[in-house]
Amino acid sequence: QTVVTQEPSLTVSPGGTVTLTCASSTGAVTSGYYPNWFQQKPGQAPRTLIYSTSNIHSWTPARFSGSLLGGKAALTLSGVQPEDEADYYCLLYYGGAWVFGGGTKLTVL
Amino acid sequence: QITLKESGPTLVKPTQTLTLTCTFSGFSLSTSGVAVGWIRQPPGKALEWLALIYGNDDKRYSPSLKSRLTITKDTSKNQVVLTMTNMDPVDTATYYCAHRRDYSMDVWGQGTTVTVSS
Repeated sequence: QTVVTQEPSLTVSPGGTVTLTCASSTGAVTSGYYPNWFQQKPGQAPRTLIYSTSNIHSWTPARFSGSLLGGKAALTLSGVQPEDEADYYCLLYYGGAWVFGGGTKLTVL
Repeated sequence: QITLKESGPTLVKPTQTLTLTCTFSGFSLSTSGVAVGWIRQPPGKALEWLALIYGNDDKRYSPSLKSRLTITKDTSKNQVVLTMTNMDPVDTATYYCAHRRDYSMDVWGQGTTVTVSS
């Protein structure tokens, strides 16, 4: 069974920069996994931030960016704001099926 | 504007079959590359991708749940239906449907909560 692994939790200071990663049990994550990133705040549905590694939606704040880093998909937040405190999930494509990561709880402190 | 809304029972008994409906607007499932997917989230836990259906009736399922899931569409009603058989308390979750295009699950419904209990 394919497992997608994220950092369980990270803490960042307001104004700082943090990178969340997303690894696949099958090996290096490439653009062919079409990594998606989602933000979820308590009591809300997930909101998509990034798709196909680094593409942003019209509603994605400019401080969010996606990339591939060291064989993983990565989400970087630059100039973190208090409202960025949330759970973040990655989603990878496996030739038809999709698998979510376990999520990263980001604390802004 | 794309919107999706999930509907179905809030409570089901163990061993029963769950049927959820996703009613959408603002897009056509007949458009190339467009699909509707289902995702769930148990209380306090991570998201889990369940299934996806395209306008050409191509269907994809989570390998771990494939034997229990069926996804269908009614294009004339702008609806996608997910059935899950043999429900168990561990299937208690919020179930979401989402619009998929260009390898992006870009718009989600608000979710519907399903509790499995006798």
